[in-house]
Amino acid sequence: NAGVTQTPKFQVLKTGQSMTLQCAQDMNHNSMYWYRQDPGMGLRLIYYSASEGTTDKGEVPNGYNVSRLNKREFSLRLESAAPSQTSVYFCASRGLRHNGQKTQYFGPGTRLLVL
Amino acid sequence: SQKIEQNSEALNIQEGKTATLTCNYTNYSPAYLQWYRQDPGRGPVFLLLIRENEKEKRKERLKVTFDTTLKQSLFHITASQPADSATYLCALDIQAGTALIFGKGTTLSVSS
Repeated sequence: NAGVTQTPKFQVLKTGQSMTLQCAQDMNHNSMYWYRQDPGMGLRLIYYSASEGTTDKGEVPNGYNVSRLNKREFSLRLESAAPSQTSVYFCASRGLRHNGQKTQYFGPGTRLLVL
Repeated sequence: SQKIEQNSEALNIQEGKTATLTCNYTNYSPAYLQWYRQDPGRGPVFLLLIRENEKEKRKERLKVTFDTTLKQSLFHITASQPADSATYLCALDIQAGTALIFGKGTTLSVSS
């Protein structure tokens, strides 16, 4: 199993450009999440999807949109990038471990720089 | 307002000592509390989970305690090693189906 994969790994955008961050998981998890991580701010939830076909806003949704394409894939779109969106973006999914505990599995992250 | 705090941004200890990291929260009643490790340039990785009705959980050199009266969890690494150097995040599990709420993390440095 690859776990949670994210593309691209790095991206540089100009202010006003758009892009989509891709995320996929192969663990058959229902719940998926997008976080951003900034120095001194910790992980902040942007959007999440509790199951296929549903999405909900998190703590910092402004400037972002999401699509739960199917059970495996959850994408994050920046329609008009701003320098304040420079960050590291993590996708995660949540599922049961072998001992019955539900924990989150994170992807490797996408480092985004908006100039 | 609802808050989750990890006591310090950075903790420096010598190899072989016990590292103790603190996670405090207010205005939550989590069913679970989880601890994750994050290495530079990587995503967080799950370490331990403790339920609200459990006082203590152990895994090899790791120990977590959970005091719902004090609203506090302590994370201990015994016989610390330089390889334990990383950022450790605590996370509250408030409600099934919703996301975990993460603290900002404590960066542990273990010197040899």
